[in-house]
Amino acid sequence: GNSVTQMEGPVTLSEEAFLTINCTYTATGYPSLFWYVQYPGEGLQLLLKATKADDKGSNKGFEATYRKETTSFHLEKGSVQVSDSAVYFCALSDGGANSKLTFGKGITLSVRP
Amino acid sequence: EAQVTQNPRYLITVTGKKLTVTCSQNMNHEYMSWYRQDPGLGLRQIYYSMNVEVTDKGDVPEGYKVSRKEKRNFPLILESPSPNQTSLYFCASSSGDRRNSPLHFGNGTRLTVT
Repeated sequence: GNSVTQMEGPVTLSEEAFLTINCTYTATGYPSLFWYVQYPGEGLQLLLKATKADDKGSNKGFEATYRKETTSFHLEKGSVQVSDSAVYFCALSDGGANSKLTFGKGITLSVRP
Repeated sequence: EAQVTQNPRYLITVTGKKLTVTCSQNMNHEYMSWYRQDPGLGLRQIYYSMNVEVTDKGDVPEGYKVSRKEKRNFPLILESPSPNQTSLYFCASSSGDRRNSPLHFGNGTRLTVT
C-alpha cells in the first residue's frame, strides 16, 4: 500500500535559518504529492502540491520538487520566520476510487526569534 | 466564507455514552471524509463519502458510524465510545479528484473518553 515517511522531529531553528524537511513516499502509479501545514489550534491547510514528476510546488516562500527517481518531495524554505512555527505534513494521493490522502506522521517546527 | 465547520471543538465524555460530532461544509463539495490525528501516527482516515447516501470505510472504521443524508453534512457517530477513541478528529471536504483538488479541513474536535 501507499506510505509516506517524514524525518523525525521536532525541529527548532532560529529566525532566518534555512529549512529542509525530508519526505519520501511509496506508491503505485503516479501519485500527486502535497505538503499541508497545521498552525496551533487549527485544521490542516494546503501549503503546496505537485502532480507529476519534476513539478515544483511553491507557496509563501516554501518549495518542494517532485523527484520520481528518489521518490522524494522535500520541503525547503530559504529563510524561516517565527510565524512558520507549525506542524508540517507530507501527503500523497494516488487517484484511486477513494483518492484518499495518505499522510506522513508530521513534524513540528519551532522558529525562535 | 468557504469553510468546514465542526462541532463541538472540545468534548469530554464517559465510556459507552453515545455521541455525535457534526460536520458541515458550504462549498457544495461531493467528497467528505473523517480523520483522526494521534501523536506519532499522523492522520488516519476513518470513513469517507463520495456523495449523498454513498459512504465507505477508511483505514480505521471500527467503533464509528457516519451518514450522508445531505450534501453539506457528514456527522460522525460514536455509539459506544471507549478510551482508545480519545483523539483529535478532523472533518474534510473536497471537490473532484483528490489528486488535483485539495482537502479543506475543519478546525478539529478534541475528544476525551474517560
